[in-house]
Amino acid sequence: NAGVMQNPRHLVRRRGQEARLRCSPMKGHSHVYWYRQLPEEGLKFMVYLQKENIIDESGMPKERFSAEFPKEGPSILRIQQVVRGDSAAYFCASSGQIQKNIQYFGAGTRLSVL
Amino acid sequence: DQQVKQNSPSLSVQEGRISILNCDYTNSMFDYFLWYKKYPAEGPTFLISISSIKDKNEDGRFTVFLNKSAKHLSLHIVPSQPGDSAVYFCAANPNSGAGSYQLTFGKGTKLSVIP
Repeated sequence: NAGVMQNPRHLVRRRGQEARLRCSPMKGHSHVYWYRQLPEEGLKFMVYLQKENIIDESGMPKERFSAEFPKEGPSILRIQQVVRGDSAAYFCASSGQIQKNIQYFGAGTRLSVL
Repeated sequence: DQQVKQNSPSLSVQEGRISILNCDYTNSMFDYFLWYKKYPAEGPTFLISISSIKDKNEDGRFTVFLNKSAKHLSLHIVPSQPGDSAVYFCAANPNSGAGSYQLTFGKGTKLSVIP
């Protein structure tokens, strides 16, 4: 499967725990984006990364959220000390070097905070 | 402040007829526009896009029209098929000189194609 892979598909956490969401971009893509979708809303941009670099984190909450895209391995979106308001669908997208404007999305991770 | 607006939350169309989904934007920095289709519990699927230097782009049954002066774009699906029933999102990209390709999405329009 050459598409964008996200895991886990569903994640349940209790308040105060940590959530780690993983994303492997499409083969050949080096640009990764994370978006969050709340119920009945559109997707909201969080962060844009290239290998080992955060390019744009203007959509990331200032506290508890962090993202990385290491030289080897998937991109990780990490949420520390989760609260109920973090419950949402988190989507990862990737794009290639030539057609940077077109992003291809994974199936998402649905985070539920109890 | 909603920079990309899809004012129709839902739309019902008879199979075989034309579906027209509309989108308005406010940010003059947007210069690339995309439409995505989304089924429940899946990620958005890229459908078609258009650059601001064009006013029309066509791909099979899907055509996107851009009216830059009105800051308006539309997606036409002809003929509509039951499998087209999904939520359609309009998205916009800023001028690439801004250094980031973050997409700004509308809230979506739920299309139902009735057999």
